[in-house]
Amino acid sequence: EPEVTQTPSHQVTQMGQEVILRCVPISNHLYFYWYRQILGQKVEFLVSFYNNEISEKSEIFDDQFSVERPDGSNFTLKIRSTKLEDSAMYFCASSSPRGPKGGQPQHFGDGTRLSIL
Amino acid sequence: GNSVTQMEGPVTLSEEAFLTINCTYTATGYPSLFWYVQYPGEGLQLLLKATKADDKGSNKGFEATYRKETTSFHLEKGSVQVSDSAVYFCALLRRYGGSQGNLIFGKGTKLSVKP
Repeated sequence: EPEVTQTPSHQVTQMGQEVILRCVPISNHLYFYWYRQILGQKVEFLVSFYNNEISEKSEIFDDQFSVERPDGSNFTLKIRSTKLEDSAMYFCASSSPRGPKGGQPQHFGDGTRLSIL
Repeated sequence: GNSVTQMEGPVTLSEEAFLTINCTYTATGYPSLFWYVQYPGEGLQLLLKATKADDKGSNKGFEATYRKETTSFHLEKGSVQVSDSAVYFCALLRRYGGSQGNLIFGKGTKLSVKP
């Protein structure tokens, strides 16, 4: 069964450094997402991406964040100057276009655990 | 606004016990509803979904029925196994305009099943 893959599984970075989290969505999916889960808290939406542009972003997704689809298979999340509070599990997800029965499920990767020191 | 409320965990059951995890939602319109499961050390996996009122989603012995009148989507399983130990997340798909929308999750309920 096709799956979303994320690398690395764990990233440790010094505060203030830039970090890039990578994702390979399911190949025939057109919609891509990033979510994050701070330890012990809810999974929170960050951003959605379609047709090479951001569809929607949450208030968490401020100017230090950016997303990119640099080629036909990868989808990346960049955090420009990391802060301690960016420590979280980051999940990438993808979905196929909405069908006649409503919203299509989003398929998630295993996540990247980001630890900011 | 849109939100999802799940029962607080952790829930500890003996093998073969009946499971209910309550989930209620607040939303404008008619969202699609989902249950995701996160096994230890893994990512979020779709467990089941329902896209309209009175739909019943089912998978691996789990069921949930979309109840518009009570704005609920409770997860049930008749006989749990040790392998069902995981964190369960209820979620709604918030859509806007013609877009695909984004998921709004509950806090998650940790289930531990003892042999």
